[in-house]
Order: sequence, then structure tokens, then C-alpha cells
Amino acid sequence: AQSVTQLDSQVPVFEEAPVELRCNYSSSVSVYLFWYVQYPNQGLQLLLKYLSGSTLVESINGFEAEFNKSQTSFHLRKPSVHISDTAEYFCAVSGVRGAGNKLTFGGGTRVLVKP
Amino acid sequence: NAGVTQTPKFQVLKTGQSMTLQCAQDMNHEYMSWYRQDPGMGLRLIHYSVGAGITDQGEVPNGYNVSRSTTEDFPLRLLSAAPSQTSVYFCASSYLRTRDEQYFGPGTRLTVT
Repeated sequence: AQSVTQLDSQVPVFEEAPVELRCNYSSSVSVYLFWYVQYPNQGLQLLLKYLSGSTLVESINGFEAEFNKSQTSFHLRKPSVHISDTAEYFCAVSGVRGAGNKLTFGGGTRVLVKP
Repeated sequence: NAGVTQTPKFQVLKTGQSMTLQCAQDMNHEYMSWYRQDPGMGLRLIHYSVGAGITDQGEVPNGYNVSRSTTEDFPLRLLSAAPSQTSVYFCASSYLRTRDEQYFGPGTRLTVT
């Protein structure tokens, strides 16, 4: 079984400032790690994922996340946020082995970007 | 491609009523699942399916039924609605490998009074 903890439920941030969203996980098996984003009144979209290889993964819109196995963390960062980054962000894990693509989600972090 | 579609967008039920939330995908994905989203709890898996005719329970299956007669459709049935089932429900689909991206529908907001 896996569990995911997102340490901040809300993060207010000014436009062009950096932001970090913290995610820690617990699992007895090897996992894949994901960040999903939910814009207001929409479904979730994949932002980025770590499967293997380089521990630093990047998205096309400037976000990056670093997998730290020893600290069981997968924090998400962006050096300079835009108003359009206002959304809720979910960290999720799935076991490397198992039936299908069962995701375990964290509680979410709501990011509000202020002008 | 329409992706993952869900109907209805909004629904209000009285306690004890039953209803079916519809989900369809046109990407030929083997894996389909239902989640409920509640404030501060993220998304929790209700039921999932790895192919037509195969379903299994997730983390919070009580009060819900599913079936998968075709690859495309995965309806979620509430047998006797309760106020605790007030939530936003998301359907998702993906290829079968655990590394694959899941595609989410737009959600159904359900209120049970």
C-alpha cells in the first residue's frame, strides 16, 4: 500500500516569484511518481512524471520536480509563476508492479498567484 | 478524439434515490477508473477495470457498483444515495501499464440532500 502527503494545503504566491510544493510518499514497493494539475472547474491533467533515470524531471511550462529516494520526496518547483498557474496540484504514486494504473493521490495543494 | 466524456455535469439526488454516472472514452484504453474528490482528501479510487468484463474495488467502493461490458464505457451506479456521497466524481482512462498517463474526464458534481 502507498500513501502520499502534501505538506501545504494552500500556497499564496506573487506573480514572478518562485514556488515550491512539497510531496512526501510512503510505499513498501517501488513506485512511479506523478504531478497532476487541476485548473478551476476542469479535470486533472498530467504535469510531469518520474519513471526512472534522471531524478530531475521537467514539464513544458517551466515546472520541475526532483525525486529524492532517501527522503521519499518528489517536490515540485517553478522559478517564476504566472497568473495562469493558479490551480490545484496533486502529487500521486503508483506501484511499479500491479494491476493496471492505480494511482494514490495526496490531498492537493491549492496555488493562488497574486498580481 | 473526444477523450473522456462524463454525463451529467451536475446532479442533485434525494437520499435513497439511485442513479448512474456515465463515462465513455474513445482512445481504446484498457484501463478505466472512477475517483471521488473531496476537499483536503485528494482523489480516492472507487472502482477500476483492466478490460471489458473485469472490474475490481478500489479504496472506497461501498455504495457503488460498476460494470464494463465494452472497452469504451464504464458506468458508475449509486444504489441508494446517501449525503456522504456528495462529491465530485471523475472518470479516468489509460493504457494498462502503470507508467502511462491517465486521462481524466471533466467531472460530475453530485449533491445528495
